[in-house]
Amino acid sequence: SQQGEEDPQALSIQEGENATMNCSYKTSINNLQWYRQNSGRGLVHLILIRSNEREKHSGRLRVTLDTSKKSSSLLITASRAADTASYFCATDRGYSTLTFGKGTMLLVSP
Amino acid sequence: SAVISQKPSRDICQRGTSLTIQCQVDSQVTMMFWYRQQPGQSLTLIATANQGSEATYESGFVIDKFPISRPNLTFSTLTVSNMSPEDSSIYLCSVEVGEKLFFGSGTQLSVL
Repeated sequence: SQQGEEDPQALSIQEGENATMNCSYKTSINNLQWYRQNSGRGLVHLILIRSNEREKHSGRLRVTLDTSKKSSSLLITASRAADTASYFCATDRGYSTLTFGKGTMLLVSP
Repeated sequence: SAVISQKPSRDICQRGTSLTIQCQVDSQVTMMFWYRQQPGQSLTLIATANQGSEATYESGFVIDKFPISRPNLTFSTLTVSNMSPEDSSIYLCSVEVGEKLFFGSGTQLSVL
């Protein structure tokens, strides 16, 4: 069953702006991960945040996790045209394979 | 990390035919996963392939429609059998390293 739900479904911004995507899930998790997919190709792992962590950074990416609200957000700062892609959250419940959300399609215009 | 070579990258097939997708990993892995991504949708796990045993299929997917081979620890194939237009999707193989998934580049299948 679908565990993660991202919003917005689509986001359009200008280069240099920040992009924020949100993910909500339903059950307890071991960790939550974000992936990027360019043009319907293979997914690329971006960042993993564990259930006992609240915030994590990787380059221009910032992920937060609120287990009380069962939600996470992905912030991309100073976006670039190359960030145009679909972004998926995926939850790991520790005993099964990852469950992916429906994704947010990000368009960054020059 | 892991590097996965997946082929073909895309194909257009006729209704009723079958297509076999191959994935080669640059290291030995215990499990390989096959996903389907229908147009505009998220990823749905088809099956988990272990070397030396039958693949484990998720609800809604059956071996007769999606036979899988896993002859060794670096290679797997997924066959989409007796295709219909509803099978038009992107098919992705992946492996788990640590807690992260690494994906092949995907096979975009169109069935006419």
